[in-house]
Amino acid sequence: AQTVTQSQPEMSVQEAETVTLSCTYDTSENNYYLFWYKQPPSRQMILVIRQEAYKQQNATENRFSVNFQKAAKSFSLKISDSQLGDTAMYFCALNTNAGKSTFGDGTTLTVKP
Amino acid sequence: DTGVSQDPRHKITKRGQNVTFRCDPISEHNRLYWYRQTLGQGPEFLTYFQNEAQLEKSRLLSDRFSAERPKGSFSTLEIQRTEQGDSAMYLCASSLMRESTDTQYFGPGTRLTVL
Repeated sequence: AQTVTQSQPEMSVQEAETVTLSCTYDTSENNYYLFWYKQPPSRQMILVIRQEAYKQQNATENRFSVNFQKAAKSFSLKISDSQLGDTAMYFCALNTNAGKSTFGDGTTLTVKP
Repeated sequence: DTGVSQDPRHKITKRGQNVTFRCDPISEHNRLYWYRQTLGQGPEFLTYFQNEAQLEKSRLLSDRFSAERPKGSFSTLEIQRTEQGDSAMYLCASSLMRESTDTQYFGPGTRLTVL
């Protein structure tokens, strides 16, 4: 069975500062993918960033980067230069290419002006 | 590429009624997924299709739930004899399973309220 745990239900950050959201997971598979999705209030889920487990290099997408620690089964998301539009619920997800993705319960991030 | 679309966006129904939701995936995506999301929780997997074949169903999907993807394009999710516990956001996602990647893109969801 796959599990994804996000231990921070809520976080806040001042505009322009940096924040890190935590995610740990468990799977017996060796090949898998990890994702961070953003879900703004009352809006649809958007893919933020993706990491292939076989790649040692951490993925980066503009202001978003991950710290992938395969041995520790940890996958944190760092948001640099936070913007008001980053306010959303963030979900960590695991996919082993068996079809379904397993999601954590999310972290609500509030960016304060 | 117009993204994943879902219809209706909101549905209010009385307990015991049947409801049907539709999902149109990104064109040429061969996989289509249904998830259910309740307030403050992450999406929970319900079922998925590869082309027209339904490859997996969650234990969450009781026999009151049925999903189809008859021509490998759009999909419908039907809930019979709705119960108040069925109130949730129903999310559809699609992906192009190619090589070893399976990145899922989500639609806006259908919010179901059962009175």
